[in-house]
Amino acid sequence: AQSVTQLDSQVPVFEEAPVELRCNYSSSVSVYLFWYVQYPNQGLQLLLKYLSGSTLVKGINGFEAEFNKSQTSFHLRKPSVHISDTAEYFCAVRPPSAGGTSYGKLTFGQGTILTVHP
Amino acid sequence: ETGVTQTPRHLVMGMTNKKSLKCEQHLGHNAMYWYKQSAKKPLELMFVYSLEERVENNSVPSRFSPECPNSSHLFLHLHTLQPEDSALYLCASSPFPGSPILSSYNEQFFGPGTRLTVL
Repeated sequence: AQSVTQLDSQVPVFEEAPVELRCNYSSSVSVYLFWYVQYPNQGLQLLLKYLSGSTLVKGINGFEAEFNKSQTSFHLRKPSVHISDTAEYFCAVRPPSAGGTSYGKLTFGQGTILTVHP
Repeated sequence: ETGVTQTPRHLVMGMTNKKSLKCEQHLGHNAMYWYKQSAKKPLELMFVYSLEERVENNSVPSRFSPECPNSSHLFLHLHTLQPEDSALYLCASSPFPGSPILSSYNEQFFGPGTRLTVL
């Protein structure tokens, strides 16, 4: 079984400042890692994912995340945020599919609300 | 329409009503999902359909009844709900799941959700 902990429920930040949203996970097997963003009144949109290879992954809208296996973390960063980045961000994990009914069950964290102030 | 659509976007119902939520995906995917998103709780996976067959039912009360008539449509039938069932219900779809031939990465694409309020 997997679990995901997002350490901050709310992160306020000023426009053009850097931001880091923290995510730690627990799993007895290797996992894929994801960050999703949810803008108000919308569904979830994939920001970026780590499947394998380079531990630094870049996503859309200038976000990046670094996978740290020893610390079981996958923190999300952006060097300079915009007002339009105000949204809720979800970290998620799932084991690699292995055939059969392994459809890719995602386990989500509780979410972090990022509020960017002018 | 493109992507994953959900109707209605908002629904208010009494505890004795019967209503249905609809999800439609235009991506050619073969797996569809229902999630419940409650305030201050992680997203909860409710049901998964793969090739129109239910493959997961996460201990969801029987007052929620899913239906998947084909790979493009997914319904969630609601009856005698409770106020604690008020939440955002999200639908998602993904390509054929679990194939060892594929890269095994099956991104889930989400719809905008239905905001349900049970009075």
